[in-house]
Amino acid sequence: EPEVTQTPSHQVTQMGQEVILRCVPISNHLYFYWYRQILGQKVEFLVSFYNNEISEKSEIFDDQFSVERPDGSNFTLKIRSTKLEDSAMYFCASSRSSISYNEQFFGPGTRLTVL
Amino acid sequence: QKEVEQNSGPLSVPEGAIASLNCTYSDRVSQSFFWYRQYSGKSPELIMSIYSNGDKEDGRFTAQLNKASQYVSLLIRDSQPSDSATYLCAVSRTGGGNKLTFGTGTQLKVEL
Repeated sequence: EPEVTQTPSHQVTQMGQEVILRCVPISNHLYFYWYRQILGQKVEFLVSFYNNEISEKSEIFDDQFSVERPDGSNFTLKIRSTKLEDSAMYFCASSRSSISYNEQFFGPGTRLTVL
Repeated sequence: QKEVEQNSGPLSVPEGAIASLNCTYSDRVSQSFFWYRQYSGKSPELIMSIYSNGDKEDGRFTAQLNKASQYVSLLIRDSQPSDSATYLCAVSRTGGGNKLTFGTGTQLKVEL
């Protein structure tokens, strides 16, 4: 069964450093998403992406964040200058469609630790 | 006002019993409703989606939606210890980026 994959599973970085989190969405899906979950808190939407453009972004997704689909399979989230409060699990998700029936499937996540 | 509300639990049920999980939402234009299961340290796993009022059954799971009351529930029949997890309710509206808005989740414990 197709699944979303993410690398790395765990990333440790120093505050102020840039990190890139990578995702390979399900192959026939057209809509891609990033969410994050701070330990003990709820899953929060960051950004959605379709047709090489951001469709929607949350208040969390400020100028320090960017997304890119550099090729036909990868979808990346870049944090330019990490802060301590960026420490969280980051989940990539994808869906086939954005109209009413929008089942989103999540990858296993990347645990980001900012020291 | 929280957008998606769930009782955090834990909800404890004996093995073989029915577990009932509830969720309310505040955005009346929400169109799509989902239940995800999340084991500790793992990612959300989609178990049910529902889009119209009424019941939707899939194996041991039944989702119920009442848009007038802004209420969605999940019933798990014949609960098993492997069902012990946190169940996340998520809603989205049609259009835009179709972001999912999650509740904080209800922790379910199925006891032997």
